[in-house]
Amino acid sequence: EPEVTQTPSHQVTQMGQEVILRCVPISNHLYFYWYRQILGQKVEFLVSFYNNEISEKSEIFDDQFSVERPDGSNFTLKIRSTKLEDSAMYFCASSAYLGIEQFFGPGTRLTVL
Amino acid sequence: TQLLEQSPQFLSIQEGENLTVYCNSSSVFSSLQWYRQEPGEGPVLLVTVVTGGEVKKLKRLTFQFGDARKDSSLHITAAQPGDTGLYLCAGETSGSRLTFGEGTQLTVNP
Repeated sequence: EPEVTQTPSHQVTQMGQEVILRCVPISNHLYFYWYRQILGQKVEFLVSFYNNEISEKSEIFDDQFSVERPDGSNFTLKIRSTKLEDSAMYFCASSAYLGIEQFFGPGTRLTVL
Repeated sequence: TQLLEQSPQFLSIQEGENLTVYCNSSSVFSSLQWYRQEPGEGPVLLVTVVTGGEVKKLKRLTFQFGDARKDSSLHITAAQPGDTGLYLCAGETSGSRLTFGEGTQLTVNP
């Protein structure tokens, strides 16, 4: 069964460093998303992406964040200068239709020291 | 800001019992998804409901979307220890984002 994959599973970085989280969405899906989940809190929407453009972003997704689809299969989230409060699980998701039936990857646990 | 409230937050029952989890909002959703999440893993999609009043069944799980598309419920019949997990509802509005509830942590004791 097709699934969303994410790498790395765990990333440890120093405050102020740049990190890139990678995702391979389900191959025939057109819509891609990033969410995050701080430990013990709700899953929160960050951004959606379609046709090489950001469709929607939340107030969390400020200038330190960017997304890219560098080739036909990968979808990345870059955090330019990490802060302690960026420590969270980051989930990539994809869907065949806008918004509906989003399938999530296993997540990348980001730890900022 | 749309909010989804799930109840109860925690539920501990014996194997074989029935249970219902509720997901309520003051907002109208275009669709509502139910997910199950294990510790340290991503949410796994169980079902999507789109039409007000819609009922979907997945084996012993029955999902219902409220007529006004503001609320939903998940009913599990004859719960088994394998049903233990965190159940999340997530509503989709007119955009692309999902708004998640806090989740219901279900424990089914053998």
